[in-house]
Amino acid sequence: DVKVTQSSRYLVKRTGEKVFLECVQDMDHENMFWYRQDPGLGLRLIYFSYDVKMKEKGDIPEGYSVSREKKERFSLILESASTNQTSMYLCASSFLAGGRTGELFFGEGSRLTVL
Amino acid sequence: GQQLNQSPQSMFIQEGEDVSMNCTSSSIFNTWLWYKQDPGEGPVLLIALYKAGELTSNGRLTAQFGITRKDSFLNISASIPSDVGIYFCAGRRTSYDKVIFGPGTSLSVIP
Repeated sequence: DVKVTQSSRYLVKRTGEKVFLECVQDMDHENMFWYRQDPGLGLRLIYFSYDVKMKEKGDIPEGYSVSREKKERFSLILESASTNQTSMYLCASSFLAGGRTGELFFGEGSRLTVL
Repeated sequence: GQQLNQSPQSMFIQEGEDVSMNCTSSSIFNTWLWYKQDPGEGPVLLIALYKAGELTSNGRLTAQFGITRKDSFLNISASIPSDVGIYFCAGRRTSYDKVIFGPGTSLSVIP
């Protein structure tokens, strides 16, 4: 089975702190994604990456950056956390090519609270 | 931007009842996906559909790719308490597009 592991299930940070959310997948997927999930708004794409050191903005990239130094690892960075970034953050991965590229596999989520 | 509509927004049903939910798009899609999210967890892929008219089952779950290619349906037969969660539809127009997600249907099962 595909395994997507997010480093922290729950984090509490203060406004202005730098926050790192780590994600590791073990299925050799090329694509990796970061979403945030808020009640009533569904899943919104923050950033994605289709290769090492490559990144593309999603629908809501403001206030976030990402890093992909290794194929299996995709990090989301909040340079200066704000209260409106309190949310559930979900990492996902998928294949780049072939018929099943739309099938995303998600991690368990990281619930971030910014005070 | 492109949006998916899911209905109903929430459902409260008795254990043992069948459940139906659907998802619609204003554009033609070539892929439909159904996910379930348990409370406090990440979404898990239930069923993937790739052809118009396709009907696919996964245990008590059955999903269909609508003939118009603008909708998809998910049915759950004989619901049980562990079916509780949020069900998301997702889809994309072409293999080069990003997958987009619907807002979800929240399902509650009363024992």
